Amino acid sequence: AQSVTQPDIHITVSEGASLELRCNYSYGATPYLFWYVQSPGQGLQLLLKYFSGDTLVQGIKGFEAEFKRSQSSFNLRKPSVHWSDAAEYFCAVGQYSGTYKYIFGTGTRLKVLA
Amino acid sequence: DGGITQSPKYLFRKEGQNVTLSCEQNLNHDAMYWYRQDPGQGLRLIYYSQIVNDFQKGDIAEGYSVSREKKESFPLTVTSAQKNPTAFYLCASSTDSYSGNTIYFGEGSWLTVV
Repeated sequence: AQSVTQPDIHITVSEGASLELRCNYSYGATPYLFWYVQSPGQGLQLLLKYFSGDTLVQGIKGFEAEFKRSQSSFNLRKPSVHWSDAAEYFCAVGQYSGTYKYIFGTGTRLKVLA
Repeated sequence: DGGITQSPKYLFRKEGQNVTLSCEQNLNHDAMYWYRQDPGQGLRLIYYSQIVNDFQKGDIAEGYSVSREKKESFPLTVTSAQKNPTAFYLCASSTDSYSGNTIYFGEGSWLTVV
C-alpha cells in the first residue's frame, strides 16, 4: 500500500538555524508531492508542490524541497528559521487509483527556540 | 476571496446525537473531501466526492454520512454510530479528482462529545 513517512515527530531548532524535515513515500509511479503547514487549530496551508520538471521546488515563506526519486524522498528545507515557523508540517502524496486521493504523513511538529 | 468555509468552528455533542458539519467552497472545484485529524495520526480520509450527487467512502467512513446536492456544498454528518467522534475535521477541495491537482483546505471544525 502507498504510504508517506515523516520519521521525525518533533524537531527543535534555534531561530536562525537551518531546517530540514524529512519525508519518504512509497508509490510505484512518479508521485505528486506536497508540503503543508498547519498552525494550531487551523487548516492546512500549501507550502509547495512537485508535479514534474525541476526536482528542486521553491515555495512560500522561504521554504524549498527537493524530490529525489532514487531515495523516494521529498525533504523540506529552510536556510534560516524564524520564530513564526513554529507549526506542524505535513508531507502528502497524490496517488491515482481510478481517481486521485491524497495520502498524508503523520506530521512533524517544529519548535523554534529564541 | 475564494476559499473553503467550514462551520461551526467548535461544536459540542451529547452522546447519541447526530451532528452535521458544514463545508462550502466558492472555488468552482468538482472534487471535495472530508478528513479527520487526531493527534499523532495525521489526516485520515472519511469521504470524498468527485462530482455532484456522487460520493465514495474513504478509509474511515463508518459512523459518518455525506451528501453532495450542490457543487459548492459537502456537509458531513457524524452519527451516533461513530464511537469516538471527538476530533478535528477538515474539509478540502480540488479542481477534480481525475488528474493531479493541489488540494486546498478549510479552517477546520472541532467536535467534542460531552
